Amino acid sequence: DIQMTQSPASLSASVGDRVTITCRSSQSISSYLNWYQQKPGKAPKLLIYGASSLQSGVPSRFSGSGSGTDFTLTISSLQPEDFATYYCQQSFNTHRTFGQGTKVEIK
Amino acid sequence: QLQLQESGSGLVKPSQTLSLTCAVSGGSISSGSYSWSWIRQSPGKGLEWIAYIYHSGSSYYNPSLKSRVTISIDRSKNEFSLKLDSVTAADTGMYFCARDIRLGGMDVWGQGTTVIVSS
Repeated sequence: DIQMTQSPASLSASVGDRVTITCRSSQSISSYLNWYQQKPGKAPKLLIYGASSLQSGVPSRFSGSGSGTDFTLTISSLQPEDFATYYCQQSFNTHRTFGQGTKVEIK
Repeated sequence: QLQLQESGSGLVKPSQTLSLTCAVSGGSISSGSYSWSWIRQSPGKGLEWIAYIYHSGSSYYNPSLKSRVTISIDRSKNEFSLKLDSVTAADTGMYFCARDIRLGGMDVWGQGTTVIVSS
């Protein structure tokens, strides 16, 4: 199966900061990479699909980039409601896999 | 607006079978080239994909769970289901259902249902 590795596992940032989260796949997945945001006790929410396409209704401060094996989620100006855990997920393979998550905490 | 709602056994004894259903409303489970997924999350842990199924009945399973999992679809009821055999405490957690678009991610999720495995 394709392994997804996120970094960092956690980070502390302040409101207004630019935040970057990285996801690496164990083999090329083209652009079949999705990003989710999850808050405690809630279902994950799709932010980015196809590596760089913004899901409808998601603020434009979220952006995604990359292809092949290396991908990035960027939050251009962190807002209070963005403190959450973020997951990448590949849909290249019939067996879906998620990264281990990155927790974004308040500094 | 498409909505998904999980239901099923919240408390399961070790070695028994966990059974969950995801009811789809606001749209047909048979429309489009969507698949329908189950995902779980152990307490304090990350997300783990379990299985998905197409309206045709074609299904795919997480290799680590495949021997114990069955996913099925009932087009007449507009729902899909999950059965997990021989559960242990390690199967305790939150179980989510979601619509899965290969090129579009898992774009609609249920709110999740908690399953506890305990005697």
